[in-house]
Amino acid sequence: GQQVMQIPQYQHVQEGEDFTTYCNSSTTLSNIQWYKQRPGGHPVFLIQLVKSGEVKKQKRLTFQFGEAKKNSSLHITATQTTDVGTYFCAGRGGAQKLVFGQGTRLTINP
Amino acid sequence: SAVISQKPSRDICQRGTSLTIQCQVDSQVTMMFWYRQQPGQSLTLIATANQGSEATYESGFVIDKFPISRPNLTFSTLTVSNMSPEDSSIYLCSVERTGGGEAFFGQGTRLTVV
Repeated sequence: GQQVMQIPQYQHVQEGEDFTTYCNSSTTLSNIQWYKQRPGGHPVFLIQLVKSGEVKKQKRLTFQFGEAKKNSSLHITATQTTDVGTYFCAGRGGAQKLVFGQGTRLTINP
Repeated sequence: SAVISQKPSRDICQRGTSLTIQCQVDSQVTMMFWYRQQPGQSLTLIATANQGSEATYESGFVIDKFPISRPNLTFSTLTVSNMSPEDSSIYLCSVERTGGGEAFFGQGTRLTVV
């Protein structure tokens, strides 16, 4: 079945450093979504990418969808302590089910 | 957006017992989803619950262990039956925006089986 791989599993940065997490699907996706889960919280939707090669920005966050619609990335510029959490990608494939990546847990040294 | 109320928020249960988790949505939805998130892990879909029909279970999950009810378009329950410590997880209910859009999650139920 469809698999979504996400790396790295953990990332620790100094506040102000950049952060990137990568997502790769075994199959072509109809869309990919990104979620943030704060410690002790539930996943919260950040964004959805639909088009091949799409790039979207939300303040310091930049999301990309690959040309083949099989990979995606989330880049955070100049991290802040409020960025702490686990970031999940979730791909929607032919079966129309959301398949979540393993998540990247981001911790930040203030 | 959808507002989802899930309860209980947490529970500690004895092995061999069952726990029923409730999920209430503030609007009518066709499908509701139940996920399991083991400590430090990703979300794994348990089943999809449609109103008026039997839930559809993902590979590795069976109805006898995780019976689901969906009596109307705003409510669903998931029961974790005959629990063992391996069932200790966060259980999340979810709905999705129509047309394959974003997912909204309940606050989750943190289950510990002792």
